[in-house]
Amino acid sequence: KAGVTQTPRYLIKTRGQQVTLSCSPISGHRSVSWYQQTPGQGLQFLFEYFSETQRNKGNFPGRFSGRQFSNSRSEMNVSTLELGDSALYLCASTAGGTSVGTEAFFGQGTRLTVV
Amino acid sequence: DQQVKQNSPSLSVQEGRISILNCDYTNSMFDYFLWYKKYPAEGPTFLISISSIKDKNEDGRFTVFLNKSAKHLSLHIVPSQPGDSAVYFCAASGHSGAGSYQLTFGKGTKLSVIP
Repeated sequence: KAGVTQTPRYLIKTRGQQVTLSCSPISGHRSVSWYQQTPGQGLQFLFEYFSETQRNKGNFPGRFSGRQFSNSRSEMNVSTLELGDSALYLCASTAGGTSVGTEAFFGQGTRLTVV
Repeated sequence: DQQVKQNSPSLSVQEGRISILNCDYTNSMFDYFLWYKKYPAEGPTFLISISSIKDKNEDGRFTVFLNKSAKHLSLHIVPSQPGDSAVYFCAASGHSGAGSYQLTFGKGTKLSVIP
């Protein structure tokens, strides 16, 4: 069974540009969450999608957005990039439903560097 | 406001001895707790979890203890092996908006097991 796949693995962008990251969850998993990892803040929740609907959103500005397709694949977009957006972006998938008794499986992440 | 805290950024332990990683939380609505292990440039890997209705869960060399009254959990690794050297994240989940899935992470503890 294939794991969570994130593309690309590494990305370098210039301030002001926009970027789109992709995540393919484990087959059969309908929930996809996104997290940002930075050295100072640890892993912070961005948003979660289930059946193409955003169910929950973390405390990030509107420049961060996402979507989920009918095959459960998800993309996140960051517009007007800032230097502080440099981070490891992690995608996690779960089967869906409730959170109790469920672990999330993470992809290897996309390392975004903004210069 | 950090709802999940790992107060020790790092921990060094001799091979064969016990490693104890600690985690405190503030939100009494959390109902499921998880530990993840992370190597550099990789995504977090699920290690072990515990429901809030239990006080102990064991899986091989790994045991997690939960003290609900103190809002404290700990991960014990016995015996510690050099391959256990990684960053360990404590995470908590609970009922978020619209039944969504969200993990709240601590900032991690870097464990170094010395041969």
